Amino acid sequence: GENVEQHPSTLSVQEGDSAVIKCTYSDSASNYFPWYKQELGKGPQLIIDIRSNVGEKKDQRIAVTLNKTAKHFSLHITETQPEDSAVYFCAASKVTGNQFYFGTGTSLTVIP
Amino acid sequence: GAVVSQHPSRVICKSGTSVKIECRSLDFQATTMFWYRQFPKQSLMLMATSNEGSKATYEQGVEKDKFLINHASLTLSTLTVTSAHPEDSSFYICSAHNKRGRVETQYFGPGTRLLVL
Repeated sequence: GENVEQHPSTLSVQEGDSAVIKCTYSDSASNYFPWYKQELGKGPQLIIDIRSNVGEKKDQRIAVTLNKTAKHFSLHITETQPEDSAVYFCAASKVTGNQFYFGTGTSLTVIP
Repeated sequence: GAVVSQHPSRVICKSGTSVKIECRSLDFQATTMFWYRQFPKQSLMLMATSNEGSKATYEQGVEKDKFLINHASLTLSTLTVTSAHPEDSSFYICSAHNKRGRVETQYFGPGTRLLVL
């Protein structure tokens, strides 16, 4: 089965700096990688996703990169703001499959 | 689009009672919904996959007789925690499968916090 690892578990950055969260996966058949943001007491919200046929995707201050050969993908948040503070989860799946395999989460704190 | 609701948002019950949690996809039909359990500061633990019109598929270690799942329609799945005990206290989150462009992804509900006294 798939195994997703996520680092770091906690991350603190100054407002305006960039934050990077990294995930690795084990199953080379995985080809869909979403990222979720979870605020305290709420359900995870999809913020960006990438398929294995592209290496990078960007949406305003958020970007995701994928290295299929090394089987790792990363979330990049630029110009961080206090409202970016939350727990972020990566996941791996097959496009046509159902089950998502989640990372262990990264608690991001943006210090004003 | 792709809004998923859960009800109730939080529930407190006595030990031994049963609690039903509803998960609805509000603006799309979901043939597949998932139920997760999340402990404080931990990741999402998949409990079961709920398929409309068929029996749910439970993950290893999840008691199907304790966590009853019903997916009676394309927009509603329910999780019933039967004979709840304090160790069942947790944050329960559902998600619904939907297409985002050409990709099928999961959209999560806001979660239900269960406290069993």
